[in-house]
Amino acid sequence: GESVGLHLPTLSVQEGDNSIINCAYSNSASDYFIWYKQESGKGPQFIIDIRSNMDKRQGQRVTVLLNKTVKHLSLQIAATQPGDSAVYFCAENILGFQKLVFGTGTRLLVSP
Amino acid sequence: DAGVIQSPRHEVTEMGQEVTLRCKPISGHDYLFWYRQTMMRGLELLIYFNNNVPIDDSGMPEDRFSAKMPNASFSTLKIQPSEPRDSAVYFCASSTQGSYEQYFGPGTRLTVT
Repeated sequence: GESVGLHLPTLSVQEGDNSIINCAYSNSASDYFIWYKQESGKGPQFIIDIRSNMDKRQGQRVTVLLNKTVKHLSLQIAATQPGDSAVYFCAENILGFQKLVFGTGTRLLVSP
Repeated sequence: DAGVIQSPRHEVTEMGQEVTLRCKPISGHDYLFWYRQTMMRGLELLIYFNNNVPIDDSGMPEDRFSAKMPNASFSTLKIQPSEPRDSAVYFCASSTQGSYEQYFGPGTRLTVT
């Protein structure tokens, strides 16, 4: 039958809350991970990245956690703001290749 | 820096017509990527170039799609003939040697009727 399209997981939070967006990856050879934010009508924008030799990396209001044992990545956004409303993608890079493989994305909705 | 530039931003065409999408990467970037984004399939890599040479075109859907990079500052993605199922947003991105971070353009929204 026909696919009805990708079902984007949606996370709804209140302004000021902390948000956690999760991502599972499948390739144990992936050595670099990146989070992108895509606002409506725009191209994806870089948020933060992390290499496989790290477990945690912090930016301004954002933290990425990497658990290689279970192949899991998360993006934490502190004090979420309405301007954070967007679709968030994780992407992975496999050592030796320049290209990124993108996940399906999570929609974050922030209510004032 | 102006970032990655794509043109046109919107394109509406009839089935069977040729469509050409254009991209100017960030100056000094060695890699250029073409992606397609749809509700059905998400963000898909179509092809990427390194120093103007195609490296991986395994994502190009079929022979109707072709991409060129005649010089370091310009690339085209052509669809001939176009079909309604080609309707999507097409993104161009660029990156530099030694970094996996890709910088995306604003995209071209293609509608084929």
